[in-house]
Amino acid sequence: KAGVTQTPRYLIKTRGQQVTLSCSPISGHRSVSWYQQTPGQGLQFLFEYFSETQRNKGNFPGRFSGRQFSNSRSEMNVSTLELGDSALYLCASSAGLAGGPGTDTQYFGPGTRLTVL
Amino acid sequence: QKEVEQDPGPLSVPEGAIVSLNCTYSNSAFQYFMWYRQYSRKGPELLMYTYSSGNKEDGRFTAQVDKSSKYISLFIRDSQPSDSATYLCAMSAPGGGADGLTFGKGTHLIIQP
Repeated sequence: KAGVTQTPRYLIKTRGQQVTLSCSPISGHRSVSWYQQTPGQGLQFLFEYFSETQRNKGNFPGRFSGRQFSNSRSEMNVSTLELGDSALYLCASSAGLAGGPGTDTQYFGPGTRLTVL
Repeated sequence: QKEVEQDPGPLSVPEGAIVSLNCTYSNSAFQYFMWYRQYSRKGPELLMYTYSSGNKEDGRFTAQVDKSSKYISLFIRDSQPSDSATYLCAMSAPGGGADGLTFGKGTHLIIQP
């Protein structure tokens, strides 16, 4: 079974631009969660989508948004990029059992490394 | 105070040694505890998953949870150079809540051949 794939793997943007990252979950998985990983803050939860609906949301500003398509693929968008948005963005997929990300094994993709100049 | 505290290391030990990795947490609602391993330039991969207190063993890995002390541990026996990676603890409350998984910042482990 193929794992979680994320595209692109690397991205360089400048302040003020916007960016869209893509995640394809494991076949049959209906839940996709997004995380931001930085050296200073570690891994932080952004949001989770299940069946095209945002089910959980972390403590990030509204510039961070996402969506999920009917085939469970997900995209996240960051608008008006800031230098502090430079990070590794990780996507995790799971079967989407009741209860959200904490009660359902999550499998991570390799991440998209975003650099904001 | 962060919800989950984890010593960032680096922790360097010789091959064959027993490694002990630890996390402490403050949220008594956490019931699900996980350990992930992350190699450089890769996403985290799940190593161990435990529910509530107790021990769980899987090959060379043993996970321990002590909810009374709010302390979890991962032991690696007969450590190998291939175990060199960053180890992240993660935990959550029932239902996941609005915060998904809460991670420690990770411990960078180096196994010296």
